Amino acid sequence: SAVISQKPSRDICQRGTSLTIQCQVDSQVTMMFWYRQQPGQSLTLIATANQGSEATYESGFVIDKFPISRPNLTFSTLTVSNMSPEDSSIYLCSVEEGVNTEAFFGQGTRLTVV
Amino acid sequence: KQEVTQIPAALSVPEGENLVLNCSFTDSAIYNLQWFRQDPGKGLTSLLLIQSSQREQTSGRLNASLDKSSGRSTLYIAASQPGDSATYLCAVSTSGTYKYIFGTGTRLKVLA
Repeated sequence: SAVISQKPSRDICQRGTSLTIQCQVDSQVTMMFWYRQQPGQSLTLIATANQGSEATYESGFVIDKFPISRPNLTFSTLTVSNMSPEDSSIYLCSVEEGVNTEAFFGQGTRLTVV
Repeated sequence: KQEVTQIPAALSVPEGENLVLNCSFTDSAIYNLQWFRQDPGKGLTSLLLIQSSQREQTSGRLNASLDKSSGRSTLYIAASQPGDSATYLCAVSTSGTYKYIFGTGTRLKVLA
């Protein structure tokens, strides 16, 4: 199974600033995804990170707020822009591997906005 | 629109008990169903993947079943241990999109 590393593991940020989260995979994968998990909630898909083209965003999420890069098949970044306390969440990177498209997750980035 | 629900939301059992966690989904046109474990403040660990053509999967003390027609899956944990304490999430991917929709989770506590 793919090994996924996310950085940073946690951060405390001032409102109005931006944070970029990195996701590194130890093998080339076609599908990479970014999820958000708000306190006490389940996971919600933010976007699909497409290699070589713009990310595909889910309803309720926009590129200006959550710009995503995917420069190659092993790396992606998610930026949380102009942060407010409502952005405090765990952000998770996920990949799907194999013919069965089994999903694997990084350890997450715990973001607190003050 | 696919919706995934898990019952119960929380469960507390004594060590050694066998238990069943439930997951239901509204759209039977799924590609995969996957069960995950999440420890507090951590990422997700994949437990079992069931493809839409399969009825069940087993790994150690875990057994997951899938009934697509009724929109249900169960995760059976045998001889529970305190180390099983975590939140268990089920997720379904829809045919053609490969995007996973997550359930609400069951928070399990196994008492020593």
